Amino acid sequence: GDSVTQMEGPVTLSEEAFLTINCTYTATGYPSLFWYVQYPGEGLQLLLKATKADDKGSNKGFEATYRKETTSFHLEKGSVQVSDSAVYFCALSPNQAGTALIFGKGTTLSVSS
Amino acid sequence: DGGITQSPKYLFRKEGQNVTLSCEQNLNHDAMYWYRQDPGQGLRLIYYSQIVNDFQKGDIAEGYSVSREKKESFPLTVTSAQKNPTAFYLCASAPVSSGLYNEQFFGPGTRLTVL
Repeated sequence: GDSVTQMEGPVTLSEEAFLTINCTYTATGYPSLFWYVQYPGEGLQLLLKATKADDKGSNKGFEATYRKETTSFHLEKGSVQVSDSAVYFCALSPNQAGTALIFGKGTTLSVSS
Repeated sequence: DGGITQSPKYLFRKEGQNVTLSCEQNLNHDAMYWYRQDPGQGLRLIYYSQIVNDFQKGDIAEGYSVSREKKESFPLTVTSAQKNPTAFYLCASAPVSSGLYNEQFFGPGTRLTVL
């Protein structure tokens, strides 16, 4: 079945460092891909998305490109801030109406000043 | 403002008791979902519903029950049959449109603790 694998954390960085969180997927068909962010004690917020191959999603300085050839959707940010400390989830949608998203296990990011 | 509300934010239960977690949305979404989150395990799907009066089991439905009598509401009952219910529970909703991705919108969550 469809699945998502993301790098295990925690990832610990200093402020202004470059961030990469790896995400790869297995899916039949042409899924949509998402990155969600969860701040402590809160629900998930959509960070960015891509619906077809070679699409680049971007938001708040974060970017991810849908790479069909490598089945990847890695999250990047050029300069992280302390406020970016959170748990990041990669997810895919099989693009069947109403079906649930499939999530990776999450990667905890901790940024220190 | 449109959104998803979950209540209560914190819930304590004694062993052997059933408890019901509330989830309400005013986004006019057809589909609603319940996930369970445990440390290091990501989100696991409990139940989902694509339309009123219909719902499907997810990956970990045992010990849980749901109802979908109204489009806006999708309450989750954690029964005494659920052996390890202490977790963070997240409700989500999504529009159901053929051919489109299923971006889900999440509520703030309910943290359930069994005493």
